[in-house]
Amino acid sequence: ELKVEQNPLFLSMQEGKNYTIYCNYSTTSDRLYWYRQDPGKSLESLFVLLSNGAVKQEGRLMASLDTKARLSTLHITAAVHDLSATYFCAVGRRGGNKLTFGTGTQLKVEL
Amino acid sequence: DAGVIQSPRHEVTEMGQEVTLRCKPISGHDYLFWYRQTMMRGLELLIYFNNNVPIDDSGMPEDRFSAKMPNASFSTLKIQPSEPRDSAVYFCASSLAGSHTQYFGPGTRLTVL
Repeated sequence: ELKVEQNPLFLSMQEGKNYTIYCNYSTTSDRLYWYRQDPGKSLESLFVLLSNGAVKQEGRLMASLDTKARLSTLHITAAVHDLSATYFCAVGRRGGNKLTFGTGTQLKVEL
Repeated sequence: DAGVIQSPRHEVTEMGQEVTLRCKPISGHDYLFWYRQTMMRGLELLIYFNNNVPIDDSGMPEDRFSAKMPNASFSTLKIQPSEPRDSAVYFCASSLAGSHTQYFGPGTRLTVL
């Protein structure tokens, strides 16, 4: 059974600071996703990572994938209040269309 | 594009009643997924369809839950009879073969009293 773990579960940080969210998964995967969910809202796709060493960046967010370590990171640079949300990683298994979601990391950026 | 459409957005019902949730996927997408989100269990995949055919329903919690996709532009998730523990947000998502990125609808917040 594929398991996906994120840490931390909760993260409170000040504006302007940097931090990293980690996503570990238990079995071989050929793609990894990062989603954002605002309170009471739906999930919005942020990044899709498809190969070892893949790096994607959008604004203050940068995601990377190490398939050998079964680890993805979401790095936040110079956080701003608007980044406050819950971030989920999701892993897809080779040859399938199911995604297994992590527990989510609730990020709060203090003004 | 209108994105994935779900209805109703909120549903409050009493235990024992039948509940039907509806989803219209993005036009042209051939995969449709139903998820349930709760604080305790997080985001769980219930069932998914490919070209209107159910592929994997291993996440459906019990026989009270059923899902159908009569055509490419419509799917339903039915709970009968509903129980308080079914209270959750139910999301529908769709994707295109080869893309794999799933696009989520706004969700239906279900409360069973």
